[in-house]
Amino acid sequence: ETGVTQSPTHLIKTRGQQVTLRCSSQSGHNTVSWYQQALGQGPQFIFQYYREEENGRGNFPPRFSGLQFPNYSSELNVNALELDDSALYLCASSRGAAGANVLTFGAGSRLTVL
Amino acid sequence: KNEVEQSPQNLTAQEGEFITINCSYSVGISALHWLQQHPGGGIVSLFMLSSGKKKHGRLIATINIQEKHSSLHITASHPRDSAVYICAVSPNSGGSNYKLTFGKGTLLTVNP
Repeated sequence: ETGVTQSPTHLIKTRGQQVTLRCSSQSGHNTVSWYQQALGQGPQFIFQYYREEENGRGNFPPRFSGLQFPNYSSELNVNALELDDSALYLCASSRGAAGANVLTFGAGSRLTVL
Repeated sequence: KNEVEQSPQNLTAQEGEFITINCSYSVGISALHWLQQHPGGGIVSLFMLSSGKKKHGRLIATINIQEKHSSLHITASHPRDSAVYICAVSPNSGGSNYKLTFGKGTLLTVNP
C-alpha cells in the first residue's frame, strides 16, 4: 500500500504571498489532517477533512484553508503569509477521525517565509 | 500550562539501557498516541492506546487513565532509536475526537 506523500518538500516565500501545499492519503484512508510544527515545538492541529469537508479545526485564522478531493488527497492553502508561518507542515491520513485512529504521516513540507 | 507535558525534554543513554519517557495530560481523553520523529521531520505512529498496555518489539506503552499519565519504554536501546518521541492526546469532550494536542517531544540520543 502506498504511504502519504507531501509536496513540495521545501519552499521559500515572501510575506504577503500565498502558498499551496499538497498531500496524498494512504490507500484505504478517507480522512486527512494537517499540522504546523514550528522549530523545536510539537505539532499543532490545523484542521481535518473528511468526505471533502472540513469537520474540525484548531486555533488557526481563516487565511489557513484547505480542500479534500474525491480521491481523498488534500491541499492546504495559506494566504497573506506572515513570518511566523515559517514551519514544517505535516499532513496525516487515517481511517476516520484523526484523534481516534492510527495516523500515517507524510514527510512534511518545510515553508520559509522571508 | 500545556495540556500535554512530557519529561524529560532531553535524554541521553548508552546502548543497551532501558529508557522511559513520560507524558502527563490535564484533560479527559479518548486516546493517546506515541509518535517518533526522526531528523528531517517524518513522523511515525508507534502506538495508539486508551487503556492498559501495548507492546511492539522493544517498545512498550502504558497508560493510567485515572492518573492521566502514560509512559513509553524502550528496552535494550540502540543508536537507531535516537529520535524525538512525541505524546499526543485526543480530548473526549464535545465530539472533538478529530483533534490532537501534542507535547513538545523528548529528544532521545542513544550512544554506541
